[in-house]
Amino acid sequence: GENVEQHPSTLSVQEGDSAVIKCTYSDSASNYFPWYKQELGKGPQLIIDIRSNVGEKKDQRIAVTLNKTAKHFSLHITETQPEDSAVYFCAASIMSGGGADGLTFGKGTHLIIQP
Amino acid sequence: KAGVTQTPRYLIKTRGQQVTLSCSPISGHRSVSWYQQTPGQGLQFLFEYFSETQRNKGNFPGRFSGRQFSNSRSEMNVSTLELGDSALYLCASSLVRRGGQQYFGPGTRLTVT
Repeated sequence: GENVEQHPSTLSVQEGDSAVIKCTYSDSASNYFPWYKQELGKGPQLIIDIRSNVGEKKDQRIAVTLNKTAKHFSLHITETQPEDSAVYFCAASIMSGGGADGLTFGKGTHLIIQP
Repeated sequence: KAGVTQTPRYLIKTRGQQVTLSCSPISGHRSVSWYQQTPGQGLQFLFEYFSETQRNKGNFPGRFSGRQFSNSRSEMNVSTLELGDSALYLCASSLVRRGGQQYFGPGTRLTVT
């Protein structure tokens, strides 16, 4: 089955700096890659996603890039703010004519924004 | 629109008992997936229901089961609870199976003693 590796496990950046979280996946058939943000005591919140027919996607301060050949994708957060502090998860799944499989998640990155 | 709701939010059970958790998806969403989150194993897919039928299943023992009702609400059941079943159980809903985007509820924190 699919295996998703996520790095780093903890990332501390100064407020206003950029943060980058990287993930690799093993199954070349995976074609859907969402990113989730989880705050303490809450469920994961979908913040951005990308499909394999797209190389990059942006939404304000957040961007995701995908390299299908290398089987890795990354989350980029610019101009970080204190409210960006949370645990971030990458995930991968296969979306086919029959529907999407369950999401396979990375182990998460604890992002700490230092004031 | 109201988000995904899960009840109860917290639950304490004894080893050997069984438990039923409930999930109400976002209005209009027909697919419901369940995940288990633990510090050691992270987020793991349990199963997905669509149109009252289980469509996909993760690598969990048969003690974990679920069902979906005609209004898309879903329940999951864990029988013969073990200490290792202590976890946050998350439900996610999506509009259709091919939509891909899954929206999570706040989870049910299950503690087995």
